[in-house]
Amino acid sequence: DVVMTQSPLSLPVTLGQPASMSCRSSQSLVHSDGNTYVNWYQQRPGQSPRRLIFSVSKRDSGVPDRISGSGSGTDFTLKISRVEAEDVGVYYCMQATHWPPWTFGQGTKVEIK
Amino acid sequence: EVQLVESGGGVVQPGGSLRLSCAASGFIFSNFGMNWVRQAPGKGLEWLSYISSSSSTIYYEDSVKGRFTISRDNAKSSLYLQMNSLRAEDTAVYYCASPQRGITSYWGQGTLVTVSS
Repeated sequence: DVVMTQSPLSLPVTLGQPASMSCRSSQSLVHSDGNTYVNWYQQRPGQSPRRLIFSVSKRDSGVPDRISGSGSGTDFTLKISRVEAEDVGVYYCMQATHWPPWTFGQGTKVEIK
Repeated sequence: EVQLVESGGGVVQPGGSLRLSCAASGFIFSNFGMNWVRQAPGKGLEWLSYISSSSSTIYYEDSVKGRFTISRDNAKSSLYLQMNSLRAEDTAVYYCASPQRGITSYWGQGTLVTVSS
């Protein structure tokens, strides 16, 4: 199975400042169809996961453009250009390229300093 | 509005059984494969099982293979997870979720399963 490794695991941020988190996979996530199926999810306390980004960099409906995804191959990044209070939560990367199974990273916990 | 509503969670003794349900609405359920994902308390997300739209293809994560059975009833727009031989390590919130590769991503609110004597 593909191992997804996130860093950092904890990310204290200042409101209005940028934040960035990384996700690395144990093998290339380029599918034979040419797509790279890497998603990012936000999970606020007490809530279900909400997908923010799919296929590395495509924003889901309703996701603000201050949130962006990038990367290729085995290295992927989620960036928040200006952190707001509503961004507090745990962020997970997930791969759906080499499936089954889907595999998730351990999560990066974003909190306000 | 798309909704996935899980039910059937609760407290069960080790070795016991539970059947989870996921009621879907707001989309054409019979067109979608579906998944179960769980999250142990304070832990990350773990994919468990997938069933195709016609039930012809089924996959399981190794730790639940032989103990859990996924099924669906397209006429009722419902997904199920029969869980047998439950262990303490199966304690988690269980989510049903749509496929995650495309432009749609649906998740339920989850149902808590606690395995304890």
